[in-house]
Amino acid sequence: KAGVTQTPRYLIKTRGQQVTLSCSPISGHRSVSWYQQTPGQGLQFLFEYFSETQRNKGNFPGRFSGRQFSNSRSEMNVSTLELGDSALYLCASSLASSTDTQYFGPGTRLTVL
Amino acid sequence: GENVEQHPSTLSVQEGDSAVIKCTYSDSASNYFPWYKQELGKRPQLIIDIRSNVGEKKDQRIAVTLNKTAKHFSLHITETQPEDSAVYFCAASIQFTGNQFYFGTGTSLTVIP
Repeated sequence: KAGVTQTPRYLIKTRGQQVTLSCSPISGHRSVSWYQQTPGQGLQFLFEYFSETQRNKGNFPGRFSGRQFSNSRSEMNVSTLELGDSALYLCASSLASSTDTQYFGPGTRLTVL
Repeated sequence: GENVEQHPSTLSVQEGDSAVIKCTYSDSASNYFPWYKQELGKRPQLIIDIRSNVGEKKDQRIAVTLNKTAKHFSLHITETQPEDSAVYFCAASIQFTGNQFYFGTGTSLTVIP
């Protein structure tokens, strides 16, 4: 079974631009979560999508948004990029509930200049 | 919201010794606690988890203990090996509310041969 994939793997953007990241979950997984990983803050939860609906949301500003498609693939968008948005963005997929094992993707490394 | 604290941030042990990583959480409603291992440049992977109705769980050299009253849980690795060197993250969530995980800031474990 193919693992979680994320595209692109690396991105360089400038302040004020917007960016869209993509995540393809493991086949059959309906839950996709997004995390921001930085050296000082660790992994911070952005949001979770399940069956095309946002089921949970972390404490990030409205510039961070996401969506999920009927095939469970998910995208997250960051508008008006700031220097502090530079991070590794990880998505994770699971079957459905929080006690199903989450499988992480390789991440997208975003650098904002 | 939930706050998860993790200690120590770095840990060095001699090969064959034990390593212990501790986490505390603030929300008494949290009832599911997974641990992830992230090797350098790789994605986090689940290594063990525990639910709040269990006090201890073991899987070969790895064990996790949970004290609900004190709201802390710990990861124990015995007979450490160089391949155990990685960053370990604890997390907490509330079962049946979807995948909203609160992560600790990570412990960088180095096993010295």
